[in-house]
Amino acid sequence: NAGVTQTPKFRVLKTGQSMTLLCAQDMNHEYMYWYRQDPGMGLRLIHYSVGEGTTAKGEVPDGYNVSRLKKQNFLLGLESAAPSQTSVYFCASSYLLGQNTEAFFGQGTRLTVV
Amino acid sequence: DQQVKQNSPSLSVQEGRISILNCDYTNSMFDYFLWYKKYPAEGPTFLISISSIKDKNEDGRFTVFLNKSAKHLSLHIVPSQPGDSAVYFCAANTDKLIFGTGTRLQVFP
Repeated sequence: NAGVTQTPKFRVLKTGQSMTLLCAQDMNHEYMYWYRQDPGMGLRLIHYSVGEGTTAKGEVPDGYNVSRLKKQNFLLGLESAAPSQTSVYFCASSYLLGQNTEAFFGQGTRLTVV
Repeated sequence: DQQVKQNSPSLSVQEGRISILNCDYTNSMFDYFLWYKKYPAEGPTFLISISSIKDKNEDGRFTVFLNKSAKHLSLHIVPSQPGDSAVYFCAANTDKLIFGTGTRLQVFP
């Protein structure tokens, strides 16, 4: 039972390059999220999705795009990477929001932009 | 503007003693809160939650208290163990999951 899987686990990009981070979940969850973790900033929500074909902006969406073409996958794209996007990225999924629900997280992607 | 705040970036506690981690929130409409634990190089894992209809929820060594009038919640770990050393995040579950900045707990022998 894989849960939430993130690909890749590590990546180094040059400024201006593009890349896509893949998140896959096998729990049939409706909700999926992308967070970034930076020292002293906690986990900040980038984008999220409440179901297949939907996306919404979180706290820090600038410089990122997302797509949810299939229920089990949530892709995070960086069109033109900047050093400020150096961070650890976490994907999460949950069955639904509200009472008695928890989100399950992937192991993270450490991205360095030089 | 931070809607969920953890004002103590770190806490050091002796093994066997109580650890108390605090969290404040700004929106009185938040009605469900969770605590997550994170070890280095791993994703956060769910620890315990509380609904706004309760003021306390207990699970083994972990107890979460909610004071709605003060918009404050706290996580108590009793007794603390070295394996509890991690970063703890509180989160509010609304139309999305909003996290605080985290508190690094170190439990020393």
